[in-house]
Amino acid sequence: AQSVTQPDIHITVSEGASLELRCNYSYGATPYLFWYVQSPGQGLQLLLKYFSGDTLVQGIKGFEAEFKRSQSSFNLRKPSVHWSDAAEYFCAVGADTDKLIFGTGTRLQVFP
Amino acid sequence: KAGVTQTPRYLIKTRGQQVTLSCSPISGHRSVSWYQQTPGQGLQFLFEYFSETQRNKGNFPGRFSGRQFSNSRSEMNVSTLELGDSALYLCASSLALAAADTQYFGPGTRLTVL
Repeated sequence: AQSVTQPDIHITVSEGASLELRCNYSYGATPYLFWYVQSPGQGLQLLLKYFSGDTLVQGIKGFEAEFKRSQSSFNLRKPSVHWSDAAEYFCAVGADTDKLIFGTGTRLQVFP
Repeated sequence: KAGVTQTPRYLIKTRGQQVTLSCSPISGHRSVSWYQQTPGQGLQFLFEYFSETQRNKGNFPGRFSGRQFSNSRSEMNVSTLELGDSALYLCASSLALAAADTQYFGPGTRLTVL
């Protein structure tokens, strides 16, 4: 069955520290991959997406993600976290006419 | 360009009632998807409409239904409300089908069922 796993429910980092949020998926073929962010009281906003080509994808707000086919992973990274990055992050997978499947989310807390 | 708008933003209903939520997509977008978000279940896909046709459906009971109009505006309806239907209902629009395109989300409708 198609699924997305975000193993970390809650992550806490200090401002300025590096960040990596994990995402693993199970899918029949190479899917399209997305990372969305949700700030409190807001809808979701796309950070970045991977469809094909270069496996290292750059997104907005200084985020990047790397697609690793052999590990079925699409981890999100940021070299230096800012307090404004505190939010909930969702990984999602889909393909063409399939529905988009979201992970359960990782809540990021940033300490000054 | 205006974003995705959802009305109402907040709604309180009692068990057994029905409710209709509305979503206006970004101009030119033909796909509208609906999601239910709860603390325990995360984001659950309800359905997706593209050019007035339902293209995908999630694993929700028949009490949950939707439709899309010729101007791409969409509504979802929940009949015979249950306590467990309390959630944030998010609508998202995209130019192409959701799984192959960037989705733009509205702020959501917070439904509370008493």
